[in-house]
Amino acid sequence: EVQLVESGGGLVQPGGSLRLSCAASGFTLSMFWMTWVRRAPGRGLEWVANINEDGSQKNYADSVKGRFTISRDNGRNSLYLQVNRLTAEDTAVYYCARDSNYCDRGGHCYDAFDIWGQGTLVTVSS
Amino acid sequence: AIQMTQSPSSLSASVGDRVTITCRASQGIGNDLGWYQQKPGKAPKFLIYAAASLQSGVPSRFSGSGSGTDFTLTISGLQPEDSATYYCLQDYNYPRSFGQGTKVEV
Repeated sequence: EVQLVESGGGLVQPGGSLRLSCAASGFTLSMFWMTWVRRAPGRGLEWVANINEDGSQKNYADSVKGRFTISRDNGRNSLYLQVNRLTAEDTAVYYCARDSNYCDRGGHCYDAFDIWGQGTLVTVSS
Repeated sequence: AIQMTQSPSSLSASVGDRVTITCRASQGIGNDLGWYQQKPGKAPKFLIYAAASLQSGVPSRFSGSGSGTDFTLTISGLQPEDSATYYCLQDYNYPRSFGQGTKVEV
């Protein structure tokens, strides 16, 4: 079964750090881009970051750039998100998602987050 | 960054109704747009890519259209299990951006 399982969330004080993990199974992680998305309480989905197959390309939302770092260990079938200098605005459920390419007959490819984990809750509070 | 604006923010409809959700991009994005469904307490589910292509296994009552800046998600023959929040997502450039969501109550 294709599956993603997040862990590492919890309660952290403002200014603190956490390392979120996402364990992949049922597919070859090294063949896919991977993404982190979050949803804050009462708000919508927010794209956070993504990383290419070998970890050499990374992209971040402006709201987390310089504070969050995405990484991966394909040998351990794992994706990570190091979150630093946390504020109350970072309180959210964090989801990892497989970032697949869907290509049309013309060769144009589209990103799609086709497999999602169940999420891990990060609460930033004193 | 591209801003994605959805309307309405919420709607209520009956079983069997046809509903339409609109997503507008702040600049042209071709057809680099997807739609996602999220039910309370659950992970999002991928529905549509390339603005109009249905993901395998998604019921045919879901359809998408549009290109450039204006896109729609239509649910024809609304079912009780379609109660959820729906989001558009542009994959035209970085940073990726979601619409703010449309809550559909059946």
